Amino acid sequence: DTEVTQTPKHLVMGMTNKKSLKCEQHMGHRAMYWYKQKAKKPPELMFVYSYEKLSINESVPSRFSPECPNSSLLNLHLHALQPEDSALYLCASSSRTGANTEAFFGQGTRLTVV
Amino acid sequence: EDKVVQSPLSLVVHEGDTVTLNCSYEVTNFRSLLWYKQEKKAPTFLFMLTSSGIEKKSGRLSSILDKKELFSILNITATQTGDSAVYLCAVKGSAGTALIFGKGTTLSVSS
Repeated sequence: DTEVTQTPKHLVMGMTNKKSLKCEQHMGHRAMYWYKQKAKKPPELMFVYSYEKLSINESVPSRFSPECPNSSLLNLHLHALQPEDSALYLCASSSRTGANTEAFFGQGTRLTVV
Repeated sequence: EDKVVQSPLSLVVHEGDTVTLNCSYEVTNFRSLLWYKQEKKAPTFLFMLTSSGIEKKSGRLSSILDKKELFSILNITATQTGDSAVYLCAVKGSAGTALIFGKGTTLSVSS
């Protein structure tokens, strides 16, 4: 099983809502990532978790709050988002954060903030 | 500043053509280069390259890395309409954890 599963696939939320994106993998990977991708742009790294601990936060606004409850799950909590936060949010995992490991991506959550 | 540059940014070919996509990079303490194919949603992993001069091959796709000249190419032979996608090149550098992506090459294969 080389799958990274993200839910929901689509999400529309208002600027005052609180919602969460979920990501799950059962490959035993110990590194998990959140990326944000705008239309016709490459993915931009947001957060990296290594062994359930946050190791990289790419200066992401606090309205995005990541959480890694265990080695298989990664959440992204959303609160008070802006319309410009509308994007495809991709989760990825790799066996570890070392250099020579490929990252597997989930199908993404298409987020629209209204 | 680390950067990854892909060329061309877009390409239109006919079925059966052979295409070469380019990726050059400037990264501190280069570790590996990865190619992904992205259609509607998630990038799909194609290749990971760490050593110069060793071709990786999967069906009609192949890729090679030149660490001296700091570039990689992705070749697709006998293209099919199903090859239409954005091809992303990404590099891992000194941080070892985050992928630095190029802007991608949009390939359109017409029948």
